[in-house]
Amino acid sequence: DADVTQTPRNRITKTGKRIMLECSQTKGHDRMYWYRQDPGLGLRLIYYSFDVKDINKGEISDGYSVSRQAQAKFSLSLESAIPNQTALYFCATSDLGANNEQFFGPGTRLTVL
Amino acid sequence: AQSVAQPEDQVNVAEGNPLTVKCTYSVSGNPYLFWYVQYPNRGLQFLLKYITGDNLVKGSYGFEAEFNKSQTSFHLKKPSALVSDSALYFCAVSWARITDKLIFGTGTRLQVFP
Repeated sequence: DADVTQTPRNRITKTGKRIMLECSQTKGHDRMYWYRQDPGLGLRLIYYSFDVKDINKGEISDGYSVSRQAQAKFSLSLESAIPNQTALYFCATSDLGANNEQFFGPGTRLTVL
Repeated sequence: AQSVAQPEDQVNVAEGNPLTVKCTYSVSGNPYLFWYVQYPNRGLQFLLKYITGDNLVKGSYGFEAEFNKSQTSFHLKKPSALVSDSALYFCAVSWARITDKLIFGTGTRLQVFP
């Protein structure tokens, strides 16, 4: 089984709908992250969590919210989806310390019509 | 501001030839540098990292990278490219501060031709 899983893998929705993307990990890491990937822009950090009681905004948090339900689960919500939120979304986890690599899920491709 | 630059959107190389994917960075303090690879329809996979010590770092799939502090660069290299190396490569940097966040470059698409 994959260490970091994301559901759904693909989602098409309409403008104004609420969407939740879920992430689970079995690596036992405290730190979890949500990124979005757009062509030519690389990965940009939306939110990150260093433990269950710690949630922080990243560089592009507007229009998004998150919930850290447990050490292993970190979900991303779009309260009212808009077309420019069409992107590839990745969840990642890491161990404590800036010198540790992050482990990525397979991604969720979200299309907002 | 902390940043990472990958100056080439795409790098083309013939199979068997050496390859280089460039990365430069700007951070205050000592950087931690990473390379990730993304194959089609997959998440990012960790290739290698520089934390401290030897400037030449060896990683997965025969890749290596050289940390050059004076030029603030961390170029990814491989002596002999394979067609299967064709993918999107991301350089990333973090540093020993409270946030422990990664900043990613915009990515370089490597195309290896048979």
